[in-house]
Amino acid sequence: NAGVTQTPKFRILKIGQSMTLQCTQDMNHNYMYWYRQDPGMGLKLIYYSVGAGITDKGEVPNGYNVSRSTTEDFPLRLELAAPSQTSVYFCASSGTESSPLHFGNGTRLTVT
Amino acid sequence: GESVGLHLPTLSVQEGDNSIINCAYSNSASDYFIWYKQESGKGPQFIIDIRSNMDKRQGQRVTVLLNKTVKHLSLQIAATQPGDSAVYFCAENNRGATNKLIFGTGTLLAVQP
Repeated sequence: NAGVTQTPKFRILKIGQSMTLQCTQDMNHNYMYWYRQDPGMGLKLIYYSVGAGITDKGEVPNGYNVSRSTTEDFPLRLELAAPSQTSVYFCASSGTESSPLHFGNGTRLTVT
Repeated sequence: GESVGLHLPTLSVQEGDNSIINCAYSNSASDYFIWYKQESGKGPQFIIDIRSNMDKRQGQRVTVLLNKTVKHLSLQIAATQPGDSAVYFCAENNRGATNKLIFGTGTLLAVQP
């Protein structure tokens, strides 16, 4: 199993541009999550999903959108990139709501 | 509000010594606690977890201790190795909150040869 795969690894955006961060998992996990990690900080939850077709906001959802059309994929969309969205983004999945999260290796995004 | 914090942002230890990384949490409703290890350029990796009905849990070279009275969590690493060098995060969860983990800010463990 590849686990959780994120693409791209790195991206530089100009202010106002849009992009989609891709996340896919091959563990048949129902639960998927998007976190952002700012330098020297812990991870903050952006959005999560408890199954295909169901998404909900986390702690810091503003400026982002998600969709969950399949069990495997959970893309994160930035519509109008802002410098405050410069961060490392991690996607994660879990088999149940209380089992440990499996993380991808992250996407480093810079907005200038 | 809810928060999870660490007492020591950086911990430097000699190879072969034992390491202790501490974490304080503030939400008394939290009933599940996890330690993650994050190496440079990688995502967090699960190390060990503990539920609130336990006060100690052991894994391979790692032990987690939970003191609910003072809301304190610690990770002990025995015979620390260079490969243990990483940032360690504690996280807490209220099981009724659909795995919406609250992460601490992390402790950098530096193992000196």
